[in-house]
Amino acid sequence: EDQVTQSPEALRLQEGESSSLNCSYTVSGLRGLFWYRQDPGKGPEFLFTLYSAGEEKEKERLKATLTKKESFLHITAPKPEDSATYLCAVQAGGYQKVTFGIGTKLQVIP
Amino acid sequence: DGGITQSPKYLFRKEGQNVTLSCEQNLNHDAMYWYRQDPGQGLRLIYYSQIVNDFQKGDIAEGYSVSREKKESFPLTVTSAQKNPTAFYLCASQPDRTDTQYFGPGTRLTVL
Repeated sequence: EDQVTQSPEALRLQEGESSSLNCSYTVSGLRGLFWYRQDPGKGPEFLFTLYSAGEEKEKERLKATLTKKESFLHITAPKPEDSATYLCAVQAGGYQKVTFGIGTKLQVIP
Repeated sequence: DGGITQSPKYLFRKEGQNVTLSCEQNLNHDAMYWYRQDPGQGLRLIYYSQIVNDFQKGDIAEGYSVSREKKESFPLTVTSAQKNPTAFYLCASQPDRTDTQYFGPGTRLTVL
């Protein structure tokens, strides 16, 4: 069974204090790993798709990386508007189903 | 404006009633999905459809039903058989030949 574990569950940062969110996964043949941002009461917003170990993608202050067992979402010099829950998800090769983690709730304090 | 719309945003239901949640997309995406989100749990797949007039059960299909008569629309009915229907419901769609799902704004269903 595919599994996704995100840590920490919650993270509180000062504005400008860089950090990383972790997503550990177990899947039979990774087809893709996804990162989403979700604001309270809203649908998840797509951030990145990663396909193979060593791959990296960046968007503004966010950078996602992938190894064979985990993915990291690095946040550089975060701002209060980066406060949200960040969801990680994986898809196994040959299957339509995507397995989601519970998420990391990030709070950035001015 | 292209996108995925869900309506209503908030829905209240009395026990024993069926309710239907709307999901529409004008992105020309082939695949569409319904998820349920509960506090402290990851999104769980209810149903998905890859083409018109075809759909498959997800992990928690009991007490739910769907239809896919048009490419743009994938309504979800929450029946009275669903024991714990209070949740945040999310619809997603996926372009053909890609792996990424894009989500609508969600419908919060509360059973009174």
